[in-house]
Amino acid sequence: GAVVSQHPSWVICKSGTSVKIECRSLDFQATTMFWYRQFPKQSLMLMATSNEGSKATYEQGVEKDKFLINHASLTLSTLTVTSAHPEDSSFYICSAYHPGYAYEQYFGPGTRLTVT
Amino acid sequence: DAKTTQPPSMDCAEGRAANLPCNHSTISGNEYVYWYRQIHSQGPQYIIHGLKNNETNEMASLIITEDRKSSTLILPHATLRDTAVYYCIVRSPNSGGYQKVTFGTGTKLQVIP
Repeated sequence: GAVVSQHPSWVICKSGTSVKIECRSLDFQATTMFWYRQFPKQSLMLMATSNEGSKATYEQGVEKDKFLINHASLTLSTLTVTSAHPEDSSFYICSAYHPGYAYEQYFGPGTRLTVT
Repeated sequence: DAKTTQPPSMDCAEGRAANLPCNHSTISGNEYVYWYRQIHSQGPQYIIHGLKNNETNEMASLIITEDRKSSTLILPHATLRDTAVYYCIVRSPNSGGYQKVTFGTGTKLQVIP
């Protein structure tokens, strides 16, 4: 099956610093990836759609200058949380469609971000 | 995407079948029903999907009503490892795979020893 990885799996950073989260499709090419955020005991909330070679599309209410997305290649998308604050602490999950599996959406294992 | 309605929680005895319902009364003709699950602190996992026929794979069975307004995910022999939040989503697959997916609140399934 298709595999999507994320790095790091967890990260702790100080308030005001930036942190980068990587999302990779390991055995397939993904022109489109998605970034979600999940707060405790809540459902996944779509933040943005990451498109290879073009700008990301952000959902309403998501600050694009704070959550920088770069889809550098067909297998890598990165999410950078800039000037992180404690309220940015959350579980960040990426996903990608595998075109060979009836367009199933495969998810990464998630990254736990804690801002102190 | 059509909206879905799921019960917030369910319990199931270990070894018994878990039947998770989902209502999607506004589903359109080209939309499929997908099921995912999320075990605590992990990314969601694809389980199964279908259009109008019942589907079965190694993980589960999907029963879709004839009018396609509801469906049931069946885990035939639930184990403790099946404890998770189960999400029912309807969407239309497309060749570009660009369609974003919106998650509802899902059903928290607790498998009891």
